[in-house]
Amino acid sequence: AQKVTQAQTEISVVEKEDVTLDCVYETRDTTYYLFWYKQPPSGELVFLIRRNSFDEQNEISGRYSWNFQKSTSSFNFTITASQVVDSAVYFCALSEGETGANNLFFGTGTRLTVIP
Amino acid sequence: DTAVSQTPKYLVTQMGNDKSIKCEQNLGHDTMYWYKQDSKKFLKIMFSYNNKELIINETVPNRFSPKSPDKAHLNLHINSLELGDSAVYFCASSQPGTVNSPLHFGNGTRLTVT
Repeated sequence: AQKVTQAQTEISVVEKEDVTLDCVYETRDTTYYLFWYKQPPSGELVFLIRRNSFDEQNEISGRYSWNFQKSTSSFNFTITASQVVDSAVYFCALSEGETGANNLFFGTGTRLTVIP
Repeated sequence: DTAVSQTPKYLVTQMGNDKSIKCEQNLGHDTMYWYKQDSKKFLKIMFSYNNKELIINETVPNRFSPKSPDKAHLNLHINSLELGDSAVYFCASSQPGTVNSPLHFGNGTRLTVT
């Protein structure tokens, strides 16, 4: 079974629009970690955020915000006032267990295109 | 200064050849990984080493052999390359158990088998 589902394969928005990337996960562990990574056209994988299963507080970092809801097993990512530089593939990932970074299960990614 | 570096960045080779990809991390992490990203961008773990010991070995053909000479290096050797091996291979490292220790990825090696 897919542990991480990113149902949106591709999204296009016009610059300055807000956009939310969805992530739904599945695990039986009570301790787990969720991540978001960005892969710009240059190809590298850039770490954005790590959140453990006991911390449901939403997080905001500049134009980025994350909404973690255990009740719906979701960890959605919102970009406010999108910019062309936000164009990339975004991956949500899950790591099970207490160590927090072993064996990430990645979603299939959402390709975001921001149109100027 | 690079945290996780892998070489080469691009690798083009013919079917049947043997090739290696090298990875080094200077973060002092105990655990290193190889991930494969296919043409559809799907990322999947191949191997994980902790202090030079293999701890994860997903279903990967035995033509793929990781080698960890020390905890800062994890190389990937591939024998008898096949067309289906064409992908981007990412090395990564982490320090499990440390708060806020995500995987740090290298920039990837794009392998093209012709």
